[in-house]
Amino acid sequence: ETGVTQTPRHLVMGMTNKKSLKCEQHLGHNAMYWYKQSAKKPLELMFVYNFKEQTENNSVPSRFSPECPNSSHLFLHLHTLQPEDSALYLCASSQGGTSKRDTQYFGPGTRLTVL
Amino acid sequence: AQSVSQHNHHVILSEAASLELGCNYSYGGTVNLFWYVQYPGQHLQLLLKYFSGDPLVKGIKGFEAEFIKSKFSFNLRKPSVQWSDTAEYFCAVGNNDMRFGAGTRLTVKP
Repeated sequence: ETGVTQTPRHLVMGMTNKKSLKCEQHLGHNAMYWYKQSAKKPLELMFVYNFKEQTENNSVPSRFSPECPNSSHLFLHLHTLQPEDSALYLCASSQGGTSKRDTQYFGPGTRLTVL
Repeated sequence: AQSVSQHNHHVILSEAASLELGCNYSYGGTVNLFWYVQYPGQHLQLLLKYFSGDPLVKGIKGFEAEFIKSKFSFNLRKPSVQWSDTAEYFCAVGNNDMRFGAGTRLTVKP
């Protein structure tokens, strides 16, 4: 248990569905991240939020829409996904700010299957 | 742009064997370096990290890593592996803009 929780743990959705992934951190951190973990590929950084402001969007398609209402919560809204979007989506948090010695702590992930 | 290479995709060892997993990176500035481990069915956990100072870093569960700046490497080592070390190991570089290697799957035979 790292203090970062994600719900749901598993999600199956059709290409026309709209769903949301939720991440919550209980570590008092100021930065939160979304990653995509696909089989046989490196972890891909998707989005970074620092003090609720998005600081990085790593060329992610618009069918993925992040939302960070406060420093403890992060959402990933999904709509009109493709089968190749099936993957494990990981959330992480870190102290953030201007720290040059930041360490990220990961949640358990949401296993997403797009039919 | 930063990139991280882990050359070993799958390593199979017997218990008590020594382990070394390679990690090379390309990055022009000051680097923060990490090794994470993902046990089967579990989340990514931090094994160890390097920010500055002594290039030989000790982590949890008997793991260590050595930062060799001239070789752009941060290899992970353990003198004697156990069956419970079976997992996937990820090297990562960066700060907020972290980049991960593709991972090395370690299988330890009892």
